[in-house]
Amino acid sequence: DTVLTQSPALAVSPGERVTISCRASESVSTGVHWYQQKPGQQPKLLIYGASNLKSGFPARFSGSGSGTDFTLTIDPVEADDTATYFCQQSWNDPWTFGGGTKLELK
Amino acid sequence: QVQLQQSGTELVKPASSVKISCKSSGHIFTINYMHWIRQQPGNGLEWIGWIYPGSGKSKYNQKFDGKATLTADKSSSTAYMQLSSLTSEDSAVYFCASTVATSFAYWGQGTLVTVSS
Repeated sequence: DTVLTQSPALAVSPGERVTISCRASESVSTGVHWYQQKPGQQPKLLIYGASNLKSGFPARFSGSGSGTDFTLTIDPVEADDTATYFCQQSWNDPWTFGGGTKLELK
Repeated sequence: QVQLQQSGTELVKPASSVKISCKSSGHIFTINYMHWIRQQPGNGLEWIGWIYPGSGKSKYNQKFDGKATLTADKSSSTAYMQLSSLTSEDSAVYFCASTVATSFAYWGQGTLVTVSS
């Protein structure tokens, strides 16, 4: 299975720029998507196809990458961005998720 | 607007089975793949499989083959997942999710399944 590796947690101050990484154990082309999950809620699609912003999310969020290395950037970070962010690949079978990065604000 | 409404919390005994539902509205049920995803306490997300309601065809993550059975009722636009031979390891929140292309664009609110004697 394709393993997606994410850093478990990050803490940043409001107004800063944060990058969340997702590294795949094998190439997944641009078949990577990012989700935001707040406590007690279902995940929400944030970025699809590595770099396409889902409507309804502000342009502070952006995604990039291809192959094995992907990045979710939030610039600037706001208090409401406190959540866990998951990457997911749909290029190889079975589809897999990263372990999630918990973003906390200082 | 697409909405996926899942059935409520389940408390079930070890070795038993449970069937949870996901009622779809706001889109054409028969032409959208319905996926199921597991989230264990404190853990990440695992893709279980999908069903294509129009044909009834399903595909499973090999890890869940034999554990999960996916079905769909076109008349009520409802997808189902049955989990069998339950153990404490199956205690988790289970989500249904509908894809747009290959991303999970729409999610149900989740169903908590607790396996305990």
